[in-house]
Amino acid sequence: TQLLEQSPQFLSIQEGENLTVYCNSSSVFSSLQWYRQEPGEGPVLLVTVVTGGEVKKLKRLTFQFGDARKDSSLHITAAQPGDTGLYLCAGAHRRDDKIIFGKGTRLHILP
Amino acid sequence: DARVTQTPRHKVTEMGQEVTMRCQPILGHNTVFWYRQTMMQGLELLAYFRNRAPLDDSGMPKDRFSAEMPDATLATLKIQPSEPRDSAVYFCASGSGQGWQPQHFGDGTRLSIL
Repeated sequence: TQLLEQSPQFLSIQEGENLTVYCNSSSVFSSLQWYRQEPGEGPVLLVTVVTGGEVKKLKRLTFQFGDARKDSSLHITAAQPGDTGLYLCAGAHRRDDKIIFGKGTRLHILP
Repeated sequence: DARVTQTPRHKVTEMGQEVTMRCQPILGHNTVFWYRQTMMQGLELLAYFRNRAPLDDSGMPKDRFSAEMPDATLATLKIQPSEPRDSAVYFCASGSGQGWQPQHFGDGTRLSIL
């Protein structure tokens, strides 16, 4: 069974602080997707990383794909209350024609 | 913006009753997925369709769950008979191309079986 482990499971920090959340696996992925889910809504795609070592930025969010394409990180600079939500990583396997979701990091930014 | 539409948004019913959840995928999308989300298990894939054909339902309890796509604009997930352990949020997602490509999610059906 291919698993994606996300850490930490929960994170509560003050507005303005920086944070990093992680997504790790023993499997190699064709690509990795990050989604954010707000209460009462479905997950929304933030970014897809495809190449080992790739870094993508989305305003204050920086996503990195590990060199071996087994792990990824999401770094948020100067967190704001609007960043609150469940962050899900999903590993994509072209061979298996499916994506596998981690259980997520639940982030709460305190004003 | 095009959206995946799920109905109903909330459903409360007693165990043993039939539950039907509906999904309208984004027009033009050819892949449709059903997921179940719980705090303990996270997002679990129940079924996957491409061009209306079921490709993977290995995550779905076969004895009580069934998923169909009567046409390209409607996907259904049925539970009969329902049990309290089926209580969860059920999401439908659609996409274009292959199953490993990014998906667009609906806002889910929150199901409570008493």
